[in-house]
Amino acid sequence: QSVLTQPPSVSGAPGQRITISCTGSSSNIGANYDVQWYRQVPGTAPKVVISNNNNRPSGVPDRFSGSKSGTSASLAITGLQADDEADYYCQSFDSSLNSWVFGGGTKLTVL
Amino acid sequence: QVQLQESGPGLVKPSQTLSLTCSVSGGSITNRNYYWSWIRQPAGKGLEWIGRIFTTESTIYNPSLRNRVTISVDTSKNQFSLNLSSVTAADTAVYYCARGTIFDPFDPWGQGTLVTVSS
Repeated sequence: QSVLTQPPSVSGAPGQRITISCTGSSSNIGANYDVQWYRQVPGTAPKVVISNNNNRPSGVPDRFSGSKSGTSASLAITGLQADDEADYYCQSFDSSLNSWVFGGGTKLTVL
Repeated sequence: QVQLQESGPGLVKPSQTLSLTCSVSGGSITNRNYYWSWIRQPAGKGLEWIGRIFTTESTIYNPSLRNRVTISVDTSKNQFSLNLSSVTAADTAVYYCARGTIFDPFDPWGQGTLVTVSS
């Protein structure tokens, strides 16, 4: 049971827009700790796609965006492409656990 | 550009201690701007933060693993290490080392190393 809750899977057709939600609580996202988003292709290490809620690292397409409100955050991908297929994880810090915490991950399938 | 590389045994017997090392290149492990963390991922499952060390002595561990985990630093080798005691099959996972801060994402990550707990 992950501290941050994500849907197990989402899917969309090429060109469409999808969103992945990340729901936390008052001790992590709601406590104003930033949310990070990672993309992981099976067999490789996760890579940052969104940092500090809504910042795109250099090299990440502007099709990726992030938002945060209250105790939740979202990752949006527009103009879906086949190579966007991967697992996506949200991550924050939890003050009650004094630990970094991850969501359970969301598998994105491009139909 | 900082790079991290995990190393250690790929097979550990139940009840023994898992020991891994993360070698840091391209930057100093004594840089006080960063924490150095261990993260693991069982096959087909999500990511679990294990713990982190800051400078040479400040450590924080995941409460679920705290009784079995020790993270240490060897500044002379620019490395940090993970010891996880009394392992069971549930500790079988890919183990990653990563750099981060409380405010920023884990970046970069090592490539990961698979550790299997089996007799």
